[in-house]
Amino acid sequence: GDSVTQTEGPVTVSESESLIINCTYSATSIAYPNLFWYVRYPGEGLQLLLKVITAGQKGSSRGFEATYNKETTSFHLQKASVQESDSAVYYCALGDRSGSWQLIFGSGTQLTVMP
Amino acid sequence: AQTIHQWPVAEIKAVGSPLSLGCTIKGKSSPNLYWYWQATGGTLQQLFYSITVGQVESVVQLNLSASRPKDDQFILSTEKLLLSHSGFYLCAWRRPGGSDYTFGSGTRLLVI
Repeated sequence: GDSVTQTEGPVTVSESESLIINCTYSATSIAYPNLFWYVRYPGEGLQLLLKVITAGQKGSSRGFEATYNKETTSFHLQKASVQESDSAVYYCALGDRSGSWQLIFGSGTQLTVMP
Repeated sequence: AQTIHQWPVAEIKAVGSPLSLGCTIKGKSSPNLYWYWQATGGTLQQLFYSITVGQVESVVQLNLSASRPKDDQFILSTEKLLLSHSGFYLCAWRRPGGSDYTFGSGTRLLVI
């Protein structure tokens, strides 16, 4: 089936350290998967952080990057130097453009950045 | 400006009691509307979607129902809550043909 697996949280890093949150997907019934990273800051709703709809492309936003790798079925989220304000829950998601245009989410990764 | 408004922000309800969660979209014509739910410790999953007024498709059976009485309104409800309904409910809209979802702030529900 279609699914997303991401780094289990919680993850704690110190400010200015690098970060990688792993995400792998299985898209057996989706012909052209779109990949997304969403973020939920404390007390706020889910926001789109970045998306990539074409395999091999890289998306970036707010210093975060993720590359859609079709060979390894991965879409890891990286940042070279995190800030305390990056503390949030991060969700990797797989988009199915057919039918309901359902988003299939990973379980979310709680990130805490220590000052 | 906030285009999507969900209410209430949080609820504590008794098992067997009714529930109604609301979602309003401002300034968007004929959006596709969605309800998502995340059980505590679980994964966000799509419950319902609606492409047009009066039409709602169920994706996951959870003894919940949804309705779209107006173009800009999406309601999630049940007549009898179960303990398993606890969790976080998110409403979302998407422009037809677009790939981006916009989510509301969510409703946190605790059934006791």
